[in-house]
Amino acid sequence: GDSVTQMEGPVTLSEEAFLTINCTYTATGYPSLFWYVQYPGEGLQLLLKATKADDKGSNKGFEATYRKETTSFHLEKGSVQVSDSAVYFCALLPSPGSARQLTFGSGTQLTVLP
Amino acid sequence: NAGVTQTPKFRILKIGQSMTLQCTQDMNHNYMYWYRQDPGMGLKLIYYSVGAGITDKGEVPNGYNVSRSTTEDFPLRLELAAPSQTSVYFCASRKNSGGGTDTQYFGPGTRLTVL
Repeated sequence: GDSVTQMEGPVTLSEEAFLTINCTYTATGYPSLFWYVQYPGEGLQLLLKATKADDKGSNKGFEATYRKETTSFHLEKGSVQVSDSAVYFCALLPSPGSARQLTFGSGTQLTVLP
Repeated sequence: NAGVTQTPKFRILKIGQSMTLQCTQDMNHNYMYWYRQDPGMGLKLIYYSVGAGITDKGEVPNGYNVSRSTTEDFPLRLELAAPSQTSVYFCASRKNSGGGTDTQYFGPGTRLTVL
């Protein structure tokens, strides 16, 4: 079945450091890929998404590129801020128009220190 | 535009009690979902619905029931609460337009403790 594997946390960085959170997936067909962020005490919010190979999703300085050849969707940010401290979830939707739910990774806790 | 709303935000139950977690969305989305999130874990799907009158089990449905009488509402029922159901529950919705770009929107969550 479909699955998402995320880099295990927690990750602790200093402000302005470079961030990479690894995400790889297993799926048949052509899934859409997502990164969601969960700030403390809140629900999940969509951070960015990509729907086909080589697409790059970006938002708030975060980027991720859909790499079909390596089945990866790594999240990156060049300079993190304290306000980026949150849990980040990688997720996939099996195929366009699928009635199925998102498959989530286990989440990566990021803490950014001033 | 309120998005996805959930009530209550917090609840403490005694073993064996029952309750209904409410979820409402005002975006006219056809798909709705219930997840639970245990500490340090990802989200696990409990039930989902692809439209009014249609529901289906997810990964962890035991101990829960759902109904979908309207497009807007998707309540989750716990009949006999057990400590294993202590968790944070998230409702979500998505409009399936067939293009693969549909975003899933989440509610703020209900934190449930069963003692």
